[in-house]
Amino acid sequence: DTGVSQDPRHKITKRGQNVTFRCDPISEHNRLYWYRQTLGQGPEFLTYFQNEAQLEKSRLLSDRFSAERPKGSFSTLEIQRTEQGDSAMYLCASSTVFFGPGTRLTVL
Amino acid sequence: TQLLEQSPQFLSIQEGENLTVYCNSSSVFSSLQWYRQEPGEGPVLLVTVVTGGEVKKLKRLTFQFGDARKDSSLHITAAQPGDTGLYLCAGELSGTYKYIFGTGTRLKVLA
Repeated sequence: DTGVSQDPRHKITKRGQNVTFRCDPISEHNRLYWYRQTLGQGPEFLTYFQNEAQLEKSRLLSDRFSAERPKGSFSTLEIQRTEQGDSAMYLCASSTVFFGPGTRLTVL
Repeated sequence: TQLLEQSPQFLSIQEGENLTVYCNSSSVFSSLQWYRQEPGEGPVLLVTVVTGGEVKKLKRLTFQFGDARKDSSLHITAAQPGDTGLYLCAGELSGTYKYIFGTGTRLKVLA
C-alpha cells in the first residue's frame, strides 16, 4: 500500500457520459500528477499540481478534460462527453514517487 | 516532442540469465527514475538517479545514469521469475517538475 488511493478502481460508461475520478495523495506531498496509460504503453503525462495550483496541462488533455485540486488535498479528474478513445488506465501520483492503483475506464 | 525510448520492448529469458534494459532520449533530465509495474497496478519506484555517471545497486539490479544525463540502463543479474513485469523509466525534464515516461520493457523470466 503506497498511501495513494484512487476511486473508483474500475468505471464502465457509455459514450457521451461524463465521469469523474478521485485521487487522495499522501497528505504531506505538495505535488500531484495525473497520467493516462493505455495497454502496453508507458504512462502519458496529463497534468500536475503544486498544492492547489495546476502548473501544466498536456496537449493530450482536450477541453473535455478538467482537473482540480481544491485546497491542495485530494484531486479530481473529470472527462465530459466520453469517447471510446478515452478508455485507459488513469493514474495519480504523489510527487512521482508513489503511484495510486489507478482507475481503469472503459467507454462502450 | 520529448521522447524516452526503451529497448528492448519485450524480453523473455530463462531464470539465471543476465539482462540489460536501455532508456534513451535526446533530452537532458534533472533526474531519472526506474519503476516496475504489475498488471492492474500503478508503477512502483525502484530507484532515482540524479548525477551524470551515477551507478546505483539494489541487490541484483544495477542502474546507471549516462554522463550527459540523457540515457540510462538497468542491468539485472541472475534473473528470477519474480522479476517478471513491466519496467519503465521516467525522466524529469530539466528546470521543470514534469516527468515523461519511456515506452516500457516487458520482461518475462521463465523458471
